[in-house]
Amino acid sequence: DAGVIQSPRHEVTEMGQEVTLRCKPISGHDYLFWYRQTMMRGLELLIYFNNNVPIDDSGMPEDRFSAKMPNASFSTLKIQPSEPRDSAVYFCASSRRGTGPEAFFGQGTRLTVV
Amino acid sequence: QKEVEQNSGPLSVPEGAIASLNCTYSDRGSQSFFWYRQYSGKSPELIMSIYSNGDKEDGRFTAQLNKASQYVSLLIRDSQPSDSATYLCAGIIQGAQKLVFGQGTRLTINP
Repeated sequence: DAGVIQSPRHEVTEMGQEVTLRCKPISGHDYLFWYRQTMMRGLELLIYFNNNVPIDDSGMPEDRFSAKMPNASFSTLKIQPSEPRDSAVYFCASSRRGTGPEAFFGQGTRLTVV
Repeated sequence: QKEVEQNSGPLSVPEGAIASLNCTYSDRGSQSFFWYRQYSGKSPELIMSIYSNGDKEDGRFTAQLNKASQYVSLLIRDSQPSDSATYLCAGIIQGAQKLVFGQGTRLTINP
């Protein structure tokens, strides 16, 4: 298996633009997690899905953020409109088990909003 | 107070010495704790899990959990330059039922 695949690896966008981050989890993993990592706040859980259903989105910072998982092999995290403070590394992770300590992380998407 | 706290470092240790990384948590009901290693520019990788009081050893790594004092530690024996990374402590916070990470401690092993 190729592991968790995220795209793009790097994204630079202008403030106000829509940004879509993509994730393909490991086949057979029922849980998918979106994290954001910044120097100030560390690694934060934004939202997680179980069997394609969002379970906990309490970490999503604002209504500008939305996440979907239309099927077991694909998820998106969308930011609309983007702001400079959204600049961070966004990780997707997947796991066979809930709460995800044994989750496998993707390589991340480094987002820069200018 | 953050749910899981770590000293961000940097922590510098000579090669061959023991590196000691510490973490405290606020939720006394938390049961499970984990240590992740993250190399610069890479994603976090789970290296140790600990669920009960005491020590758990895996090769050169020992995780320690003290629930009475609410701290978790990671010891790295015979530290190598390849151990240089940021180490993230994480716990399953009972109230939130999700994995919460500390800020991470940057460790540098000096040859």
